[in-house]
Amino acid sequence: DVKVTQSSRYLVKRTGEKVFLECVQDMDHENMFWYRQDPGLGLRLIYFSYDVKMKEKGDIPEGYSVSREKKERFSLILESASTNQTSMYLCASSLVRVSYEQYFGPGTRLTVT
Amino acid sequence: GQNIDQPTEMTATEGAIVQINCTYQTSGFNGLFWYQQHAGEAPTFLSYNVLDGLEEKGRFSSFLSRSKGYSYLLLKELQMKDSASYLCAVQTTDSWGKLQFGAGTQVVVTP
Repeated sequence: DVKVTQSSRYLVKRTGEKVFLECVQDMDHENMFWYRQDPGLGLRLIYFSYDVKMKEKGDIPEGYSVSREKKERFSLILESASTNQTSMYLCASSLVRVSYEQYFGPGTRLTVT
Repeated sequence: GQNIDQPTEMTATEGAIVQINCTYQTSGFNGLFWYQQHAGEAPTFLSYNVLDGLEEKGRFSSFLSRSKGYSYLLLKELQMKDSASYLCAVQTTDSWGKLQFGAGTQVVVTP
């Protein structure tokens, strides 16, 4: 049974704090993705990684960074959290094949106060 | 980039049929996915179309016309548990497996 897990379901942080969101997959997938989901805007790609230590910016990378030191783990970092980063964050993984669907984690609802 | 449009919300009665349309504009089209997302949960894969035509999977079917930049997801014999958001997503040839998502269509099934 495939599995993508995220470190927290709910997180509350203060403006200016450094925030780490962790994602782990157990499917030996090469690709991993971080999205944020906001009402009316759908899923927007923040960063993705196609291999260990490799990363590429998505559509909205500003204010975020990522780390992939091991194949199974992909971390999203908010260097200095701001209120406009309050959102649902979803991690996903997939094989490096065009037709392969992405498997999603349960999401982390982050509130920045 | 890609423009992906789908209706915001649709309402239908239990047992009925609902068709969710998705139109897209992209270069280098390489496949279209449909996902289902229940409130507070992760999206789950429903279907993938890369060639024109209809793909049927039980009560759910997905259609693609590449020349028209158009797809639809057909939900038959609606059940209450089908109340969810349905996401259309497009993959392009240069995307390294990335998907561009539409904003989603909220389907409300009423008794």
